[in-house]
Amino acid sequence: KQEVTQIPAALSVPEGENLVLNCSFTDSAIYNLQWFRQDPGKGLTSLLLIQSSQREQTSGRLNASLDKSSGRSTLYIAASQPGDSATYLCAVRIQGAQKLVFGQGTRLTINP
Amino acid sequence: NAGVTQTPKFRVLKTGQSMTLLCAQDMNHEYMYWYRQDPGMGLRLIHYSVGEGTTAKGEVPDGYNVSRLKKQNFLLGLESAAPSQTSVYFCASSYPGNEQFFGPGTRLTVL
Repeated sequence: KQEVTQIPAALSVPEGENLVLNCSFTDSAIYNLQWFRQDPGKGLTSLLLIQSSQREQTSGRLNASLDKSSGRSTLYIAASQPGDSATYLCAVRIQGAQKLVFGQGTRLTINP
Repeated sequence: NAGVTQTPKFRVLKTGQSMTLLCAQDMNHEYMYWYRQDPGMGLRLIHYSVGEGTTAKGEVPDGYNVSRLKKQNFLLGLESAAPSQTSVYFCASSYPGNEQFFGPGTRLTVL
């Protein structure tokens, strides 16, 4: 059974710092991995999608990497801003299945 | 484009009542999904659909039914609501194998 873990559960950093969020998964037979952000009381906003054949994806200040063999993905946020404060979720899509398996998320706070 | 929309945004039911949640998408996506989000449990897939007229069970389908009569709409029904169905419900849609886009959610409380 695929399990997705995100550590730490919460992270607080000062504005301007570069930071890394971690995601690990137990089964390397994934189709793709997706990073989301969720603001309190809101839905999920898709940030980046990495297909299983890719090593990384970039969008603006965000960079996501994927290492299938080790079962890990990281989300790198450069020059963090207070507006980046949110819960960040990673989810993997299992090969041959439609569902996404989600991690519990990392609650990120950027302090001005 | 509105993306994925959900109605209603909030609802309070009494045990045993029924209701239908509506999801609509204007991105011409083939696939649509219903998830529930609970503290400590994360997001879990209830049902999904890979095309008009087709539905399939997800991880936690018991107590729910779905229908996909039109490509742009995906309905989630609760025939006899139970307190255990108190949750936040999210609808999502995607092209096959591609990123999923989520709606704003419906917060349901069953008393």
